[in-house]
Order: sequence, then structure tokens, then C-alpha cells
Amino acid sequence: GDSVTQMEGPVTLSEEAFLTINCTYTATGYPSLFWYVQYPGEGLQLLLKATKADDKGSNKGFEATYRKETTSFHLEKGSVQVSDSAVYFCALSDRGKLTFGKGITLSVRP
Amino acid sequence: SQTIHQWPATLVQPVGSPLSLECTVEGTSNPNLYWYRQAAGRGLQLLFYSVGIGQISSEVPQNLSASRPQDRQFILSSKKLLLSDSGFYLCAWSIEGPQHFGDGTRLSIL
Repeated sequence: GDSVTQMEGPVTLSEEAFLTINCTYTATGYPSLFWYVQYPGEGLQLLLKATKADDKGSNKGFEATYRKETTSFHLEKGSVQVSDSAVYFCALSDRGKLTFGKGITLSVRP
Repeated sequence: SQTIHQWPATLVQPVGSPLSLECTVEGTSNPNLYWYRQAAGRGLQLLFYSVGIGQISSEVPQNLSASRPQDRQFILSSKKLLLSDSGFYLCAWSIEGPQHFGDGTRLSIL
């Protein structure tokens, strides 16, 4: 079946550091890929998405590129802020069902 | 624009008591609706999804049930709560695209 694997966390960075959060997937079909963010005590918010190979999703300075050859969708940001502290989930959608990774907690220090 | 509401935001219940969590969506018709559970330190687990009124699919066998009495209303229930039912419950909706989440209900079982 479908699965999403995220790098182990938590991750702690200093403000303005570069961020990479790895995500790889396995799927039988042609999935859409997503990153969701969950701020403390809140539900999940869609951060960005990509629907086909080589698409780049971007939002709020975050980017991720759909790499079919490596089955990856790594999340990057050039300069993180304290306000980016949250839990980040990679997910794939295949025929309407979302499969999530376990999530990774990011803490950004001032 | 579409909005999703979940209530209550927090709930503390004794073991063996019943449960009813409600989710409603506004601003759209015939959405797909979903219930997820997020246990502490773990990812999201899909519990139920619904593609229409009265149509419920269960993803995992458990102590919970779901109902969809109206097009934009999705209810999660239990007759007798277990300690293992503790967690953060999230409702989501979608229409041919990414899922959009409510703010969640934090359920604690005593």
C-alpha cells in the first residue's frame, strides 16, 4: 500500500538557518503530494502541494519539488523564523485518500 | 469561502461514558468528510470517511462509529469510551483536491 516516510525528529534550528525536511513516498498510482503544518494546539493547515512530477509547490518561503525518480518531496526554506516552529507532515493523496508521514517537530530558537 | 467547525475544542470524559463529536462544513456542497485521530507523539490515523449522506467507510476496527445525517455534518460517536480513545480528533473535508482540517478536539479519558 501507499506510505510516506519522514526523517526522524525533532529538529532544532537557530533563526535564519536553512531548513530541509526529508520526505519519501511509495505509491501504486500517481499521487499528489502535500506538506501540512500544525501549530501548537491547532489543526492542520495545508502549506503547499504538487500534483505531478517536477511540480514545485511554494508558500510562505517554503518550497518542495515533486521528484518522481527519487520518490521524494523534501521541504526547504532558506531562512527560518521563530514563527515557523510547528509540526510538519508530509502526505500523499491517491484516489482521494490521504496517507500521512509521522510528522516532525521543528523548533526555531531566536 | 468554505469553513469547517469542530466542537467541543476540549473534552474530558470518564471511562465507559458515551461520546459525540460534531463537525460541520459551510460554503460547499457534497464534500468528502473525514475523521482522523492523532495520538500523542504519533502521526494521523484515518478513522472514517464519507462520500455522501449515510455513506460511511471505516478504516480501522475500533470502539468508535461515525454518522453523516446531513450533507455537511459528520459525527463521531462511541457508546463506551476506553482509555485508549484518548487523543486529538480532527475532522477534514475535500472536494477533488487537498483536504482541509478543522481545529480539532482534544479528548482526555479519565
